[in-house]
Amino acid sequence: EIVLTQSPDTLSLSPGERATLSCRASQSLTSNFVSWYQQKPGQAPRLLIYSASNRATGIPDRFSGSGSGTDFTLTINKVEPEDFAVYYCQQSGRLPALTFGQGTRLDIK
Amino acid sequence: EVQLVQSGAEVKKPGESLKISCKVSGYTFKSFWLGWVRQRPGKGLEWLGVIDPADSDTIYGPSFEGQVTMSVAKSINTAYLQWGSLKASDTAIYYCVRRGDGLKSWAFDFWGQGTLVTVSS
Repeated sequence: EIVLTQSPDTLSLSPGERATLSCRASQSLTSNFVSWYQQKPGQAPRLLIYSASNRATGIPDRFSGSGSGTDFTLTINKVEPEDFAVYYCQQSGRLPALTFGQGTRLDIK
Repeated sequence: EVQLVQSGAEVKKPGESLKISCKVSGYTFKSFWLGWVRQRPGKGLEWLGVIDPADSDTIYGPSFEGQVTMSVAKSINTAYLQWGSLKASDTAIYYCVRRGDGLKSWAFDFWGQGTLVTVSS
């Protein structure tokens, strides 16, 4: 099973700063089927990024994804107050073991 | 508008059986795989598996094979997740998800609101 390790566990930033969230896979993901999700308290997760770098429908362009192989990054340019949430990465390169990272909490500083 | 509407919260005792549902609308039911994701209280996300509504082909996550059963009822655009014998460790929110297509293949582009399952004696 491929393990995804997200870092940091918690990121404390002020609105307007840039957030850089990391997701590292225990094995190379040759298909780059990496997605990112945002989850706010009491809500279902929402798809932000798919196939490592493609924004989902309706996602603001301050969100961007990058990476390949074992290292993937979600960047939020100029964090807005509504962006403070938990973010999960997910891989599906090696079925049937689709896995999620443990999550990064983005907190207001 | 795509919607995945799940059944309501359940409280069960260990050993009891349960079947929760996910009714979809806004698209052709058999065109997209559906799946289930678990979130235990205060924890992260875990993938249980997916089912192809067109032919009921299933893929279970390794940790959930034999523990749960996924099914669909095409006539009413509904997917189901069921347990034969619940354990306290099954206490969680269960999300119904739609698997995307094309480049979104294996991304979950729509989520239900979640069904809280509580298993306690």
